[in-house]
Amino acid sequence: QITLKESGPTLVKPTQTLMLTCTFSGFSLSTDGVNVGWIRQPPGKALEWLALIYWDDDKRYSPSLNNRLTITKDTSKSQVVLTMTHMDPVDTATYYCAHSRYSYGYSFDYWGQGTPVTVSS
Amino acid sequence: DIVMTQTPLSLPVTLGQPASISCKSSQSLVHSDGNTYLSWLQQRPGQPPRLLIYKISNRFSGVPDRFSGSGAGTDFTLKISRVEAEDVGVYYCMQSTQFRTFGQGTKLEIK
Repeated sequence: QITLKESGPTLVKPTQTLMLTCTFSGFSLSTDGVNVGWIRQPPGKALEWLALIYWDDDKRYSPSLNNRLTITKDTSKSQVVLTMTHMDPVDTATYYCAHSRYSYGYSFDYWGQGTPVTVSS
Repeated sequence: DIVMTQTPLSLPVTLGQPASISCKSSQSLVHSDGNTYLSWLQQRPGQPPRLLIYKISNRFSGVPDRFSGSGAGTDFTLKISRVEAEDVGVYYCMQSTQFRTFGQGTKLEIK
């Protein structure tokens, strides 16, 4: 079955760079039509899409955060890494990675449990 | 950017009664390939989101048939035919026609 798990620091200081890893199983990110996305949710607030990486290494970023985000994949390790620069307290949130595929309308059909990140000095 | 607007933001419902959530997009969600990429997710308290509906009206695996989706173009609706206690949570619509955008969420609670 498809599973995803996020990992990374729980606390980062303002201006630092955040690096989060999504380790997955049950699918290959080299399969046509498959992609992995990152989504975040500040405490008590709505979901916000951040970035997406496709099976062919195409990448998409939220226009509002485009210049701070980088998404990469390591197919051999079944991992996707998200890097976010210039962290600020407003970036405090739970960060999720999720699986998506063309056959399900590119909806996010499987999610990790999320990893909380606090930005504070 | 496509903006997704949900109404209502809060939805108190009596057990066994129907519920309906509206989602409107700022532009048509019909993709150049002819598909409309609108999905609905449920987030129970303390849990990650869970996919309910994809491409407007298709129920995902394991989703009870009391959940249904409808709509076209820019106007979409999620309906629950008879609300159960386990349906408490926040419901989000999401478009994947152009990048990805979520609605603000609708919090369903039991009266």
